[in-house]
Amino acid sequence: EVQLVESGGGLVQPGGSLRLSCAASGFNLSIYWMSWVRQAPGKGLEWVANIKEDGTEKYYVDSVKGRFSISRDNAKNSLYLQMNSLRAEDAAVYYCARSPPALDIWGQGTMVTVSS
Amino acid sequence: QSALTQPASVSGSPGQSITISCTGTSSDVGGYNYVSWYQQHPDKAPKLMIYDVSHRPSGVSNRFSGSKSGNTASLTISGLLPEDEADYYCSSYTSSSTFEVVFGGGTKLTVL
Repeated sequence: EVQLVESGGGLVQPGGSLRLSCAASGFNLSIYWMSWVRQAPGKGLEWVANIKEDGTEKYYVDSVKGRFSISRDNAKNSLYLQMNSLRAEDAAVYYCARSPPALDIWGQGTMVTVSS
Repeated sequence: QSALTQPASVSGSPGQSITISCTGTSSDVGGYNYVSWYQQHPDKAPKLMIYDVSHRPSGVSNRFSGSKSGNTASLTISGLLPEDEADYYCSSYTSSSTFEVVFGGGTKLTVL
């Protein structure tokens, strides 16, 4: 079964850091671009970042540039999102998704709460 | 990276058809045939329903169809069923080389 499973979410204080992981199974992660998408409570979807198959290209939404870093380990079939200098507005469910041509496989999401 | 524009809500009765619009610019919707539509039920992950403007992934009902004209894309759901009640999001790539994505604000579909 093709599947993505996120982990690493939790409660963090403003200014803190968190590392999210996404484990892929049922397909070869190394031949796909991968993305992170987030959804704040009661809000819509927001694309956060993506990374090329070999990790040589990475792109971010403006609001996280310089604070978040996307990476991957194809040998472990895993995707990561390092989040630093977290703000209240970063609180959301974070989804990893396979792409392109579209975000066709999504994980179940992991919740990030930013609060003191 | 401005969000695409969708109506906040639409409604229809079982058996009817509804259309959800998604308006962007020539830099996203109008510039690429990479519009996708996602269905999201409460507390669930989004599900891809349409990709590349009008293509359905395997397993998605043919009651769902997509189209595009200029800077506006549309999702049509025919023969509405109670289980179609959900939030629907459109998205578009903003670059064919970087695959950066912009989403619409979402549309709540209510099946009366």
